[in-house]
Amino acid sequence: AQSVSQHNHHVILSEAASLELGCNYSYGGTVNLFWYVQYPGQHLQLLLKYFSGDPLVKGIKGFEAEFIKSKFSFNLRKPSVQWSDTAEYFCAVILRGAGNKLTFGGGTRVLVKP
Amino acid sequence: EPEVTQTPSHQVTQMGQEVILRCVPISNHLYFYWYRQILGQKVEFLVSFYNNEISEKSEIFDDQFSVERPDGSNFTLKIRSTKLEDSAMYFCASSAGVQNNQPQHFGDGTRLSIL
Repeated sequence: AQSVSQHNHHVILSEAASLELGCNYSYGGTVNLFWYVQYPGQHLQLLLKYFSGDPLVKGIKGFEAEFIKSKFSFNLRKPSVQWSDTAEYFCAVILRGAGNKLTFGGGTRVLVKP
Repeated sequence: EPEVTQTPSHQVTQMGQEVILRCVPISNHLYFYWYRQILGQKVEFLVSFYNNEISEKSEIFDDQFSVERPDGSNFTLKIRSTKLEDSAMYFCASSAGVQNNQPQHFGDGTRLSIL
């Protein structure tokens, strides 16, 4: 079955540390890839997206993600986190040509200690 | 920035009762969606809606569920004869289209608790 996997359920790190969150998908076709973030008490917000072109995508708030087609991965990175990056992060995939439904990973809760 | 708004933020309902969750999508958007997240589980797609009809639905979206756009601004999810397992966070989303540069924008969600 088609699915999206996020490697870590919880990540705890200190301010200024680097962050990398893993995401793998199991679709055979062409995909659109997304990272959403949900800050405490807020709605899901789009961090960045990949549709085509340069596999290194830059998003808001200093985040970036790299699409590696051969590994079916779309990992999220930030070189130096801040306390305000404390949130839950969701990877999501749309299989092109198969509607517009997002399939989400399980989410990763990130806690940045000041 | 325009937002998707959902009401109520929390709904408590007795099992067997009907519930209607309301959403106001972003005003120039044409595609509307409902997702849900049961506590501790993934966000799951329920249904998408375009041009006054369902364009896609998941296995979860059975006869118990229905969606409607009763006027030019609201998009509702109705759950008939609610069950305990319907307890979840329900998210509404909208998008301007389904092309590459038109991602889905989400509301804050409605937490539905079935007693």
